[in-house]
Parts: sequence; C-alpha cells; structure tokens
Amino acid sequence: DIHMTQSPSTLSASVGDRVTITCRASQSISHWLAWYQQKPGKAPKLLIYEASNLQSGVPSRFRGTGSGTEFTLTISSLQPDDFATYYCQQHESNTLTFGGGTKVEIK
Amino acid sequence: EVQLVESGGGLVQPGGSLRLSCAASGFTFSRFWMTWVRQVPGKGLEWVANIRPDGSEKYYVDSVKGRFTISRDNAKDSLYLQMNSLRAEDTAVYSCARARRYNDNSGRDAYAVWGQGTMVTVSS
Repeated sequence: DIHMTQSPSTLSASVGDRVTITCRASQSISHWLAWYQQKPGKAPKLLIYEASNLQSGVPSRFRGTGSGTEFTLTISSLQPDDFATYYCQQHESNTLTFGGGTKVEIK
Repeated sequence: EVQLVESGGGLVQPGGSLRLSCAASGFTFSRFWMTWVRQVPGKGLEWVANIRPDGSEKYYVDSVKGRFTISRDNAKDSLYLQMNSLRAEDTAVYSCARARRYNDNSGRDAYAVWGQGTMVTVSS
C-alpha cells in the first residue's frame, strides 16, 4: 500500500501569509495526487486534482505542485476562510490513501 | 443540485451488522466511481472502499476486507456499505463520495462530491 505523509501537522499563520504544506508518498505516484480542505463538521472539499489542476470554483490563490513522491499545496495569501484542515490523497491506485492532515490555525 | 445523502448509521454492539445507504441525485449515478470514506471525530480521513460504475470492480482497505461489502444499485441511484463483524475501531462518521470524472474506466480519480456522513458507533 502507498503511504502518504503530510507536514507539518499543524501550522499557525496570519491573514495574508503565504502557506506551504508538503505531502510525501512512500513510492512514486506520478501526478496522481489530490488536495482537500475540510472545516469542522463539514464534508471535505476538493481543491486540486492530478497534483496541479485547480478544481472548478476554487480560488486561484491555491496552487498544487509536484510529481513522483513529493508534492506541495501553496496558499499564496491566506484568507480568513482558509483556516481549516488540509488533506492530500493519492489516487494512483484503486486503493486510495490519505495523508494525516495539516491544520492551519490562526496565529 | 448534485447531492449525496447517507443514512443507516447508529449504535451497534461489537460483532453486529449495519447497512449504510447513500442516495444520489442531480447526476448520472451509473457513470461514476463511488467511494466510502470514514473519519473518527477529531481525527483524519480514512478511505474504506470504492466501486466501479458498473459494480464489476471493488476495492477495500485491508482493515475491513472480509467484513465490509460495497455495492450499488444504479437503477435506484444508490450506494451501499454492508458492515459485518463490527469492532469498536470501526466507530466513525461514514461518508460517501463521487469521483470527479464522468465515464472513467481507471478509477484513478479524486472525489469531487461528498455527502455529510452518517455516524456509526460500535459499543456494548
């Protein structure tokens, strides 16, 4: 099985900050990586698919990069609505796996 | 409106069974891969199972293999998760989700539409 490791697990930032979250796969997954945002009590929201493609309706301040085993999600200028938990998910194989999550908190 | 609504959760004793349902609306259900994902309150997301549009392929996380069965009824626009031999560690919110791509054969896809989930508690 492919194991996904996210870092950091918690991140404290201010409105306007540039934020970067990293996700590493235990083996190469090419570009088959998605990023989700989840707020408390809500369903996950797809932000990025296939490593760098912005899902329809997602603000352009969200950017995904990477391939192989290392990936990043960057929020160029953190907005109040962005304080949430972010998960990566590999979809290279039919047995999907998520990273452990990164909680973005208000500094 | 594209929507997924889960039902069937509840309190069950260890060793018991439960069947979850996910009702889909607003899209052509029979053309999308579907998945179940669970989340212990306050913890991360865990993928449970997924199923091909025609139901011919099913995949499971190791911890539920042999105990859980994913299925679908495309005539009823419904997804199911039959859970047997339940354990305390199966306690979680179970959510269904729809893949992003229409008519995809590979299953290599992110999940773009999610339900709100149904709580399953396994306890004596």
